[in-house]
Amino acid sequence: DGGITQSPKYLFRKEGQNVTLSCEQNLNHDAMYWYRQDPGQGLRLIYYSQIVNDFQKGDIAEGYSVSREKKESFPLTVTSAQKNPTAFYLCASSGGFGTDTQYFGPGTRLTVL
Amino acid sequence: KNEVEQSPQNLTAQEGEFITINCSYSVGISALHWLQQHPGGGIVSLFMLSSGKKKHGRLIATINIQEKHSSLHITASHPRDSAVYICAVRSNTDKLIFGTGTRLQVFP
Repeated sequence: DGGITQSPKYLFRKEGQNVTLSCEQNLNHDAMYWYRQDPGQGLRLIYYSQIVNDFQKGDIAEGYSVSREKKESFPLTVTSAQKNPTAFYLCASSGGFGTDTQYFGPGTRLTVL
Repeated sequence: KNEVEQSPQNLTAQEGEFITINCSYSVGISALHWLQQHPGGGIVSLFMLSSGKKKHGRLIATINIQEKHSSLHITASHPRDSAVYICAVRSNTDKLIFGTGTRLQVFP
């Protein structure tokens, strides 16, 4: 089955701890994205990667970091510098950046206690 | 003011009703997407439009580029259509801008 997987579905962390969210795709897509979704707001872009070993900041990158060492993987680290990390995080991928339909993972709900 | 506005925010319907969800945008775009977010959170792409109209099963999406407006219609609605429907536009700088979504509940 081709698709995007995110794990875990629910994640709880104590304030001040870094946490890494996993995103894997087997669609052979070049571009991958991380979005944050908060109640009453549209999805906001955190980071994106157009190709392996390259990534760019989105609209709300502060307090987050990413890596793209493999084409199929784009993990997101939520650092202790992120002021309000509790949110729903969605990963997506597309064949190319900017023109193709994005395919979304099931999301990870992060709660910081 | 948001660059992408959806209406209504919430919508309830009886099974079988015709549903319309609206999306207006204020930026230049190269394409418009309609997405469906299930109660569990997963998002599925329904349509990508740059002009005219597209149909898939009971779903119809239209766009009027001059008026900067798109509509998503659901014919013969069913409880399984209950979800959040999100409009997103691809700006001329290739950025995706999302609306806040319309929550649809269809009751039997």
